[in-house]
Amino acid sequence: EVQLVQSGGEVKKPGESLKISCKGSGYSFTNYWIGWVRQMPGKGLEWMGIIYPGDSDTRYSPSFQGQVTISADKSISTAYLQWSSLKASDTAMYYCARGMYSNSSGYFDYWGQGTLVTVSS
Amino acid sequence: SYELTQPPSVSVSPGQTARITCSGDALPKKYAYWYQQKPGQAPVLVIYKDSERPSGIPERFSGSSSGTTVTLTISGVQAEDEADYYCQSADRSGTYPWVFGGGTKLTVL
Repeated sequence: EVQLVQSGGEVKKPGESLKISCKGSGYSFTNYWIGWVRQMPGKGLEWMGIIYPGDSDTRYSPSFQGQVTISADKSISTAYLQWSSLKASDTAMYYCARGMYSNSSGYFDYWGQGTLVTVSS
Repeated sequence: SYELTQPPSVSVSPGQTARITCSGDALPKKYAYWYQQKPGQAPVLVIYKDSERPSGIPERFSGSSSGTTVTLTISGVQAEDEADYYCQSADRSGTYPWVFGGGTKLTVL
């Protein structure tokens, strides 16, 4: 059974750093893309970026380039999303999802349960 | 950036057919995908490559494509189908391989 298990919710202050995780199991972690999706409170889904754990090839949405860093450790089947300096506007639910990607398009077939990040002074 | 346009809301009575549309200039060239998201839950893929249904998704969910519009159809709507539905596709250039529509709230009356 394919599973993506995300780390728990976080409460942080503006300016702090944060790294959240997504552990995959039940499939070959290195052979599928992992993507990250933001959902701000009461709003829709926004694609942030994707990584191919097999070779760490990473693509970012232009909207999030430079704002976050996506990485992966294939030895422990885990992908990461990190911020160096959080802002209140980063408050959102963040989902990881397994991506099927080819010919400049793709989709997500399995999703993690989400990690709620709250940034408040 | 590229945009996919969905109606904010659709309402139907139980047993009727719900149709949710999604419009985008690149849809004649790019596949569309549909996700269902119930309150407090992660999204679930219900349609891929315009009209394919993943295993475990009920047959009442179907997808179609015509020109710049794709449609998610739910036949014989049940109360449990009440959720937000998001279409997703890509722009022509490859700059945005994942683009989500704004979402449609399906209300079962």
